Amino acid sequence: SQQGEEDPQALSIQEGENATMNCSYKTSINNLQWYRQNSGRGLVHLILIRSNEREKHSGRLRVTLDTSKKSSSLLITASRAADTASYFCATDYTGGFKTIFGAGTRLFVKA
Amino acid sequence: DTGVSQDPRHKITKRGQNVTFRCDPISEHNRLYWYRQTLGQGPEFLTYFQNEAQLEKSRLLSDRFSAERPKGSFSTLEIQRTEQGDSAMYLCASSPRDIHYGYTFGSGTRLTVV
Repeated sequence: SQQGEEDPQALSIQEGENATMNCSYKTSINNLQWYRQNSGRGLVHLILIRSNEREKHSGRLRVTLDTSKKSSSLLITASRAADTASYFCATDYTGGFKTIFGAGTRLFVKA
Repeated sequence: DTGVSQDPRHKITKRGQNVTFRCDPISEHNRLYWYRQTLGQGPEFLTYFQNEAQLEKSRLLSDRFSAERPKGSFSTLEIQRTEQGDSAMYLCASSPRDIHYGYTFGSGTRLTVV
C-alpha cells in the first residue's frame, strides 16, 4: 500500500477529553507531518516533526516520533467540538520527493 | 489572495471525455504537488514539480494522466479518456523549499465522471 497506517480509524470523545491518534510508517523518513481536514474542505497543516526530533508542541497539540518503532502519535488536549475533523499523518521518505498520506483518523468531539 | 487556487471547483464529465484542471500555487513556492482523494481515504500522491521540472510521478498513474508546470508558475493536470474510476477530488498543494510549515493545499477540484 502507498499509505501509512493510522489508528484508530475513528474516535468519538466528549468535549474536554484528550484525543490520541497514532500513525505507523514503513521506511526511513526525513520528517512527518500532521494535517486536519474538515468535511468537504482542503487539508490544513498542523505540525511537522523532523526525524531527529522526538517531541514537538503547538498549542493544544503534542506530537511524538519514535523512529525505532516507525511510529508517531498526535495528542489533542482539552478537545473542543471544533476539533471534529479527519486527521492525517504524512511522511517524507528519504530518497524521494513525494509525501505519503495515511488513511486518516476521523475524530468526533461531542459537545 | 495568498492561498492556493484551483479551478474549476467542480467538474462533471461524460466517460471518454478529456478534462483539464488548473492550479495556481502561492507565488513564492517552488514546490507543487498533485494528489487525488476519494471518499474516506487519505490523499494519494500523483506527481511533484520543483519549479518547472516534474521530478516524480506516481506509478499508479496511467498514460491517460499528464501534468505540466510551464515556467514554474501555475500547473495543469489533464486526464484523457476519463473513466468512472477517475471520479475523485483532485488536490493541489505547494510549499517553499523549506517545508517547515508544511504544504498549503487548495480547496480541490471535484471530478464526477458519468
